Amino acid sequence: DTEVTQTPKHLVMGMTNKKSLKCEQHMGHRAMYWYKQKAKKPPELMFVYSYEKLSINESVPSRFSPECPNSSLLNLHLHALQPEDSALYLCASRPELTRYGYTFGSGTRLTVV
Amino acid sequence: GQSLEQPSEVTAVEGAIVQINCTYQTSGFYGLSWYQQHDGGAPTFLSYNALDGLEETGRFSSFLSRSDSYGYLLLQELQMKDSASYFCASLGDDKIIFGKGTRLHILP
Repeated sequence: DTEVTQTPKHLVMGMTNKKSLKCEQHMGHRAMYWYKQKAKKPPELMFVYSYEKLSINESVPSRFSPECPNSSLLNLHLHALQPEDSALYLCASRPELTRYGYTFGSGTRLTVV
Repeated sequence: GQSLEQPSEVTAVEGAIVQINCTYQTSGFYGLSWYQQHDGGAPTFLSYNALDGLEETGRFSSFLSRSDSYGYLLLQELQMKDSASYFCASLGDDKIIFGKGTRLHILP
């Protein structure tokens, strides 16, 4: 298995809703990432998990809450989002911290209404 | 701060060769990677240079010069399916920072 699987692929939520994005990989990668990408912009780093511990939080608002239950799974819990949070949310993993490229999931396209 | 500069758009003809340049200014630099992203899709890893020199993978090659803080992606025998955005990205200190991306337009 050489993929990063993200679910759901599309999500529409209201500003008072609570939802979660899920990311799964079975490549034994120990670094996992959440990125946010707006249209025609590069991906922006949100969170980094290394060996299941949060190692980087790029000053992300608390309405985004990451969780890494085990080495294969990464969640992003969403609560009280704003319309400007609508974007493509990408999960990625990497086998070592300083080598090779990321493997990206296909993303969740989130629309906040 | 950390920044990567690349042209916003490049246009080339099908069958030709195109080079996309990237200059970077980052701390804790380990290497430069390149990603391709089609509209509506996710980024796909193309190549990674940790050392100076040229890396070749099929029609794509990538070059790095650490002393010049410069790299490029070379695409040969361009095909219409190569129309996409291309991002250079620097690896360092546990994270990747992306350039703003180069939109490649290919003319028949």
